[in-house]
Amino acid sequence: GQQVMQIPQYQHVQEGEDFTTYCNSSTTLSNIQWYKQRPGGHPVFLIQLVKSGEVKKQKRLTFQFGEAKKNSSLHITATQTTDVGTYFCAGNSGGTYKYIFGTGTRLKVLA
Amino acid sequence: NAGVTQTPKFQVLKTGQSMTLQCAQDMNHEYMSWYRQDPGMGLRLIHYSVGAGITDQGEVPNGYNVSRSTTEDFPLRLLSAAPSQTSVYFCASSSDQPGQGNQPQHFGDGTRLSIL
Repeated sequence: GQQVMQIPQYQHVQEGEDFTTYCNSSTTLSNIQWYKQRPGGHPVFLIQLVKSGEVKKQKRLTFQFGEAKKNSSLHITATQTTDVGTYFCAGNSGGTYKYIFGTGTRLKVLA
Repeated sequence: NAGVTQTPKFQVLKTGQSMTLQCAQDMNHEYMSWYRQDPGMGLRLIHYSVGAGITDQGEVPNGYNVSRSTTEDFPLRLLSAAPSQTSVYFCASSSDQPGQGNQPQHFGDGTRLSIL
């Protein structure tokens, strides 16, 4: 079945440093969503990418969808303590409503 | 708007007991899903529904039942609780067909379930 791998599992950065998490699917995706989960909270939707090679930006966050639609990345520029949390990708292969989540990258920002 | 409401927030069960986790949404969303989240892992899809009367299995459906008699409600039933089902359970809802525009999944606050 479809698998979605996410690396790294953990990342500790100094405040102001950049951060990137990578998501790789075993199958071609129809679209991919990114979520952020704060400790003790629930996942909150960040963005959805649909087109091959798509790049979207939200302030300091840059999201990319690979040309083959099998991988994606989230890059945060100049991290802040408010960026702390776990970032998940969730891939959909199309045809069904199944979203398979990656294992997440837990980001810790040191002030 | 309340969004997605899950009850209870916490529950402790004994092995073999049954219970129902409730999920309700007030956004008239067609799509609803149940996920479980274990420590250090992502969310795994248990069951999902694309509308009232229609449900399907996700990645880890064994030991769980669902039904969707109304658009608003999507309860998850544990038939005979086992320690391996200790987890945090999230319900999510979404409108329209994912992949055809920005249709985010809205998550509830979760139910923290412990099976002794």
